Amino acid sequence: AQSVAQPEDQVNVAEGNPLTVKCTYSVSGNPYLFWYVQYPNRGLQFLLKYITGDNLVKGSYGFEAEFNKSQTSFHLKKPSALVSDSALYFCAVRDRYDTGRRALTFGSGTRLQVQP
Amino acid sequence: GAVVSQHPSWVICKSGTSVKIECRSLDFQATTMFWYRQFPKQSLMLMATSNEGSKATYEQGVEKDKFLINHASLTLSTLTVTSAHPEDSSFYICSANPGVVTSSYNEQFFGPGTRLTVL
Repeated sequence: AQSVAQPEDQVNVAEGNPLTVKCTYSVSGNPYLFWYVQYPNRGLQFLLKYITGDNLVKGSYGFEAEFNKSQTSFHLKKPSALVSDSALYFCAVRDRYDTGRRALTFGSGTRLQVQP
Repeated sequence: GAVVSQHPSWVICKSGTSVKIECRSLDFQATTMFWYRQFPKQSLMLMATSNEGSKATYEQGVEKDKFLINHASLTLSTLTVTSAHPEDSSFYICSANPGVVTSSYNEQFFGPGTRLTVL
């Protein structure tokens, strides 16, 4: 079984400061990892993904994430937060070898609040 | 590209009625679509996997007769909530996965969601 943990329900950061949203995962094989953002009453918007290759992945809106296999982590980062980044962020995982099911398992979500 | 739409975006219905939600992939063919349910301030829970031309695969605990899923074409899947009750009120989100092996093969593209309120 695969699972995702987002240990922080909420992260507060001041505008202009760096932000980190934490994610750890568990899969039986190798993972595909994703970050999505959700604004109120909206669907999920794709931010970035790790499939293979470089461990540092750059995505939309200046976000990046680093795949760390030994720590089974995929933390989301941004060097300088914007107020408009305030939203709900979801980390998701899929087992690379789960070619049949192909569904994503989501973490519980972390609400990012950026103060002006 | 890779746009997924849902209709309606919100619906209010009386208890006991049935509600159909459509999920369409607008610019790609989706052999697989997924239906998720999200309660307020909670994560997305997978309800079922919908495969074009075959029966949906439901997650444990999801009532097949309650949540009818049809995936009749490569661009359309429907979720029908039958005999809806207030506890079925939720945010329902679909996603679609391209069937062709491309750079997006491993991604899921999400619809904007449908908010269902059952009175």
